[in-house]
Amino acid sequence: EAELVESGGGLVQPGGSLRLSCTASGFIFSNYEMNWVRQAAGKTLEWVSYISTSGNNIYYADSVKGRFTISRDNAKKSVYLQINSLRAEDAAVYYCVRDGMDVWGIGTTVTVSS
Amino acid sequence: DIQMTQSPSTLSASVGDRVNITCRASQSISVWLAWYQQKPGKAPKLLISKASNLKSGVPERFSGSGSGTVFTLTIDRLRPEDLATYYCQQYNRATWTFGPGTKVEIK
Repeated sequence: EAELVESGGGLVQPGGSLRLSCTASGFIFSNYEMNWVRQAAGKTLEWVSYISTSGNNIYYADSVKGRFTISRDNAKKSVYLQINSLRAEDAAVYYCVRDGMDVWGIGTTVTVSS
Repeated sequence: DIQMTQSPSTLSASVGDRVNITCRASQSISVWLAWYQQKPGKAPKLLISKASNLKSGVPERFSGSGSGTVFTLTIDRLRPEDLATYYCQQYNRATWTFGPGTKVEIK
């Protein structure tokens, strides 16, 4: 069964950094484009970033452009999200999502507070 | 950017009812629309893709229709376990957009 597991969330001060990881199992990871989606408490879902199978094509939401960096390691079946210059509005549950939208991780929580 | 709206924002219905949720896109997205169900504390679950394609394993009580800018999610014979928030999502472009959600409550 296809599965995604995120990690790396935590409590960070404004202006701080975090690196989120998402590890895949149960499917051929290198064949799938991947995305990060986040959800602030009580809010709707917000697409954050996309990466192609090779990593050559990358897109970001305007709200995170210049601060977030997506990457992947197909050998490790993992996708990453480097989050810099954290703001209060970045606090959310971050999900990694397989393209096709049919497989979501359980999420990792990022809390921003001084 | 493509904006998505949903109506109603909250819906209260009885077990056995048929409910409809409407999603509108700010510009045509052809049939590149998905519907999700999300229960508290859980990740969203894909119900329907390409506007009307029911994901394998999803009860046939769920159905989707529409194209262009107006889409509908229908739940026939509402069951207690359908209590959840439902989101639409466009994926016409590489950048996705989600609707604000519709919370379904059971009377």
